[in-house]
This record gives sequence, structure tokens and C-alpha cells, in this order.
Amino acid sequence: DAGVTQSPTHLIKTRGQQVTLRCSPISGHKSVSWYQQVLGQGPQFIFQYYEKEERGRGNFPDRFSARQFPNYSSELNVNALLLGDSALYLCASSLGPSRGTDTQYFGPGTRLTVL
Amino acid sequence: GQQLNQSPQSMFIQEGEDVSMNCTSSSIFNTWLWYKQDPGEGPVLLIALYKAGELTSNGRLTAQFGITRKDSFLNISASIPSDVGIYFCAGQETGTASKLTFGTGTRLQVTL
Repeated sequence: DAGVTQSPTHLIKTRGQQVTLRCSPISGHKSVSWYQQVLGQGPQFIFQYYEKEERGRGNFPDRFSARQFPNYSSELNVNALLLGDSALYLCASSLGPSRGTDTQYFGPGTRLTVL
Repeated sequence: GQQLNQSPQSMFIQEGEDVSMNCTSSSIFNTWLWYKQDPGEGPVLLIALYKAGELTSNGRLTAQFGITRKDSFLNISASIPSDVGIYFCAGQETGTASKLTFGTGTRLQVTL
């Protein structure tokens, strides 16, 4: 079975631009969570989507937005990019927060560099 | 953002030695997980713990969910070169959302 897939693998943008990152969850999983990992730190929670609805949001500005599609894939959008947005963006797939334990499995990440 | 306290921050060990690392939180979690991350890749799940006091093994790895629900530890026995990497603990809330709060990481390096 395919694991979590993310695209693109690497991306270089300049300040002020906008970026869209994509994630496909494990087959049968209905929830996607997004995390930001800056160099030298653990991942930080950005969003969780379940059944196309936002279920949780971390402490990130409104420049960050996301959505989930009927096939449970997801996009993360970041507007007005800042240098500090440079990070590894991770997508995690799970069955969903209403299913008791909700073990999350991560994709390989998208490395975003903002110049 | 909040990160859990994880120690040690880094460690050098010789191949064949046992390793211990732990994670503490000021908050209670319903689930504790341990992940390993190699450079440039996403975290890979090693062990998930769902019940306070639970002790779970996965090959050479053993982890425990603290009785207070505020801590967890991971042991690796007889380390090998492929154990090199960064180990993260994560506490998980349950409810409307099931976000993970990660630890600061333990960098493990093995010398031959």
C-alpha cells in the first residue's frame, strides 16, 4: 500500500509570493494534518482536517490556509511568504479524531526555501 | 510554539550499547508516540502508547507511558549504526482535534 505522498519535494520562492503544497493520505484515512518543522526543532501543528472540515488550528497567522477535497487529499496554502516560512512542511495521515486513538503517519515533507 | 522537554539533547554511543531517552510535559496527554527522523525525511512512527503505565516493545525498542500521563521514555537495546537519527517524542490530545505536540528531539550518533 502507498504511504503518504507529498508534492513537490522541494520549492524555492521569494518573499511576498504565494505557495501551494499538496498531500495525499494513506488509502482509507480520512484525516490530514499539517505541520511546520524549522531546522533544529520538532514539528509544529498547523491544521487538522477531517471529512473536509477543519478540526484544529495551531498558532499560525491567517496567511496560512488549507482545504481538504472529497478524495481526502489536501492542500496547504501560504500567502505573502516571509523568510521565516522557510521550513520542512509535513503532512500526516490518520483515520480521524473521532475514531478514538488517532495515530498519525507522516509523509516525506516538502522543503520550502524563501529567498 | 509549545514543545515538550526531551533529554538528552544529543548522545554519542558505541555500537552495542543501550540507549535511554525521556520526555516530560506540563500537560496531560492521552497518547504518547515516538518517531525517528532521518535528515530531509519525514518522521517514521516507532511506537505508540495508548494507556497510562503501558510498556510496549517493538524489536530492540521499548517505550513506556508514564503513570502521571505527563511523561514517557524510550529505550533502545544493543544499538547499531542504522539507529543514527533524531528521535522525537510526541504527546497527542484527543477530542475534536488530535494534534501532536512534539519534543525537542534527541540526536543519536553511534560510533563503531
